[in-house]
Amino acid sequence: QKEVEQDPGPLSVPEGAIVSLNCTYSNSAFQYFMWYRQYSRKGPELLMYTYSSGNKEDGRFTAQVDKSSKYISLFIRDSQPSDSATYLCAMSERNAGNNRKLIWGLGTSLAVNP
Amino acid sequence: EAQVTQNPRYLITVTGKKLTVTCSQNMNHEYMSWYRQDPGLGLRQIYYSMNVEVTDKGDVPEGYKVSRKEKRNFPLILESPSPNQTSLYFCASSLWGDTEAFFGQGTRLTVV
Repeated sequence: QKEVEQDPGPLSVPEGAIVSLNCTYSNSAFQYFMWYRQYSRKGPELLMYTYSSGNKEDGRFTAQVDKSSKYISLFIRDSQPSDSATYLCAMSERNAGNNRKLIWGLGTSLAVNP
Repeated sequence: EAQVTQNPRYLITVTGKKLTVTCSQNMNHEYMSWYRQDPGLGLRQIYYSMNVEVTDKGDVPEGYKVSRKEKRNFPLILESPSPNQTSLYFCASSLWGDTEAFFGQGTRLTVV
């Protein structure tokens, strides 16, 4: 079993829809949770960064962390064709020496159709 | 503009011919790292650097070398490339080591 599981999709939605992207994980020591967006032939771009549990909102994007269920979500409201990309989740735990290692999901491909 | 710059963007080379992929950031970040991205395997860290002259292995360091002589530059060296190193490579940097804040545009390497 992988430490981080992410449905690869593809997910296809109409413009204006609410999109829900999810990752599950097995390591209860994860404390830092991130979502990245990666357009085709580009590098990943950090979208959201949260520590521990709770919600974080930034414009049309909301990140949720449920540590009891080991489940994180990214919601996109009023989705736009420009949101079409692959969305990667990543997470880490703080370990000795102030070092940390990111564990990545494989990404979910999203297509928002006009 | 804050950015991480990789060069070259595309490279086709032959087995065994040493190559270097350069990475430079203009944000005075202490933390830099290299990843490779492969279908079905996702992003895997090759090496990272917490600061100048401080480097350490990631998950897949075999066949790669790095150096960090200046804060802004973090080149990736393949001394003797092999076909299994054909991949999409990304350099990343951040102010602290908590996350990968900025990624470069990527270098698509093909080893024949």
